[in-house]
Amino acid sequence: QVQLQESGPGLLKPSETLSLTCSVSGGSVTSKSHFWNWIRQPPGKGLEWIGYIYNTGYTNYNPSLKSRITMSLDTSNNHFSLNMTSVTAADTAFYYCARETYDILTGFNGGLDPWGQGILVTVSS
Amino acid sequence: SYVVTQPPSVSVAPGRTARITCGAYNIGGKGVHWYQQKPGQAPVVVIYQNSDRPSGIPERFSGSNSGNTATLTINRVEAGDEADYYCQVWGPGSDDPYVFGSGTKVNVL
Repeated sequence: QVQLQESGPGLLKPSETLSLTCSVSGGSVTSKSHFWNWIRQPPGKGLEWIGYIYNTGYTNYNPSLKSRITMSLDTSNNHFSLNMTSVTAADTAFYYCARETYDILTGFNGGLDPWGQGILVTVSS
Repeated sequence: SYVVTQPPSVSVAPGRTARITCGAYNIGGKGVHWYQQKPGQAPVVVIYQNSDRPSGIPERFSGSNSGNTATLTINRVEAGDEADYYCQVWGPGSDDPYVFGSGTKVNVL
């Protein structure tokens, strides 16, 4: 059974760069049937999709965050990462990684499943 | 940007039916997933591709999508269904950005 686990710093100062890693067990980030997503949720608020990366390195980002984010895959360590530059207090949130089953050829999309447990990132001076 | 609207809350008595809507322009031409999130937990998909149900999700959960509205229906509501529910809109192209609805809190009376 696939499991995802987020890791990274829990506290950042404004203008710093956020770097998070999602470790995948029970599956491979090189899978051709899956997209690897990041989602965030400010405490007490709703979900915001950040973007995804595919095994070819193809990425799709939320247009509102595109200028500040970069996603990458590490096939040797079976994990994927999120970098977000110039963080502010508005970036304080729980950050989740999630696997998406998506067959581009058939159009089948099984949604985001499973999700990691999430990691709280606080931006404060 | 593509705006997706959900009612902030829905209240329902045990045993009755809850309907949660997700409204957006021509949402029927896109795909919709639904997620359940309980306090302190990560979301869990309860409906994918508009109306398909993952294994382990009760048959009481169903979904539809047409025109400008997608709907999640929970029949015979139980106390354990009390949670936040989010719709996620995707497609039609694989490079179209995903959008989450604002979320609906289902209160079981």
